[in-house]
Amino acid sequence: GAGVSQSPSNKVTEKGKDVELRCDPISGHTALYWYRQRLGQGLEFLIYFQGNSAPDKSGLPSDRFSAERTGESVSTLTIQRTQQEDSAVYLCASSVGQGKYEQYFGPGTRLTVT
Amino acid sequence: AQSVTQLGSHVSVSEGALVLLRCNYSSSVPPYLFWYVQYPNQGLQLLLKYTSAATLVKGINGFEAEFKKSETSFHLTKPSAHMSDAAEYFCAVTLYNQGGKLIFGQGTELSVKP
Repeated sequence: GAGVSQSPSNKVTEKGKDVELRCDPISGHTALYWYRQRLGQGLEFLIYFQGNSAPDKSGLPSDRFSAERTGESVSTLTIQRTQQEDSAVYLCASSVGQGKYEQYFGPGTRLTVT
Repeated sequence: AQSVTQLGSHVSVSEGALVLLRCNYSSSVPPYLFWYVQYPNQGLQLLLKYTSAATLVKGINGFEAEFKKSETSFHLTKPSAHMSDAAEYFCAVTLYNQGGKLIFGQGTELSVKP
């Protein structure tokens, strides 16, 4: 079956521009997570959605970052007024539930801010 | 707050040798622990997980890990390394009340010499 997909796979943008990153989770997965992986570093949690509950935004690094999810399907991560330090690979993962359940990761979107 | 420390950003072993990747965690309550692998230019894939059942956990590709509460460790081992094991390995922790958001270690890059 289809896994988690993300688009675009690569995005190059100029400093100050806004970008939107998209994630299509596995069908039926109620939990969706966004992580960021900077060069040479581990993954950093950004935000997660669980069903119709309010999202946990505790990992968002600044108010320039926001995310939405439509029901239990597509999610978009928006970065406004991009900065060079936003350059990273943005990974999306989905899961059948919270906590001990395996998270299935997408291939990521590589964002480069010039 | 929970945290994860992976000792050694780079580990090199010879083909056929024992693989040992170290992971220590910090948590005030019993954790859920995971090992993920990231092959070059691919997404993260779950190797194995500990979710409070058996302390010795077996995963895919011959890997296993043992949860040791007294040492707050969850080291990953494989008796005999294959060239195909060369990849980046991430240890991650979450708690039952954290909604599943994973806190990752910095990663360990494993090289396998012929």
